[in-house]
Amino acid sequence: EPEVTQTPSHQVTQMGQEVILRCVPISNHLYFYWYRQILGQKVEFLVSFYNNEISEKSEIFDDQFSVERPDGSNFTLKIRSTKLEDSAMYFCASRGLPIRDSSYEQYFGPGTRLTVT
Amino acid sequence: EDKVVQSPLSLVVHEGDTVTLNCSYEVTNFRSLLWYKQEKKAPTFLFMLTSSGIEKKSGRLSSILDKKELFSILNITATQTGDSAVYLCAGGDVQGGKLIFGQGTELSVKP
Repeated sequence: EPEVTQTPSHQVTQMGQEVILRCVPISNHLYFYWYRQILGQKVEFLVSFYNNEISEKSEIFDDQFSVERPDGSNFTLKIRSTKLEDSAMYFCASRGLPIRDSSYEQYFGPGTRLTVT
Repeated sequence: EDKVVQSPLSLVVHEGDTVTLNCSYEVTNFRSLLWYKQEKKAPTFLFMLTSSGIEKKSGRLSSILDKKELFSILNITATQTGDSAVYLCAGGDVQGGKLIFGQGTELSVKP
């Protein structure tokens, strides 16, 4: 069964360093998302991406964050200068074109645990 | 502001019990209500509901949506220890499809 994959599973970085989190969405999906979950808190929306551009972003997604689809399969989240409060689990999700109800289902990857020290 | 509220926050039951998890939502441009099961890591998709009053079932799990009262429930019958997890409810909007999550209900099923 197709699934969303993410690498690395765990990333440790020092404050101020840049990190890139990678995702491979389900192959025929066209909408891509990043969410994060700080330990013990809710899953929070960061950004949605469609047709090679950001379609929506949350207040969390400030200038330190960027997303890119560098080729036909990968979808990346870059944090330019990490802060302690960026420590969280980052989930990538994808869904298909909304031509029928089931296309709105979002499928999540296993997550990357980012630890900023 | 969009919000999704789940109750109870945690629940401890014994195997064989039936549980009902609640989710209320206020989501601008609401399109769908999704339920996920989160064990160790990624939320695993359970159900998506878009129409009021139509129950969706998968084995011992079922869910229904009330769009008038802005409410959904997830039922689990004959619970098993493998049902122990955090159950997440999320409201999806019609435009970009972003999901607004509730804080989750942590279900613990004791043998």
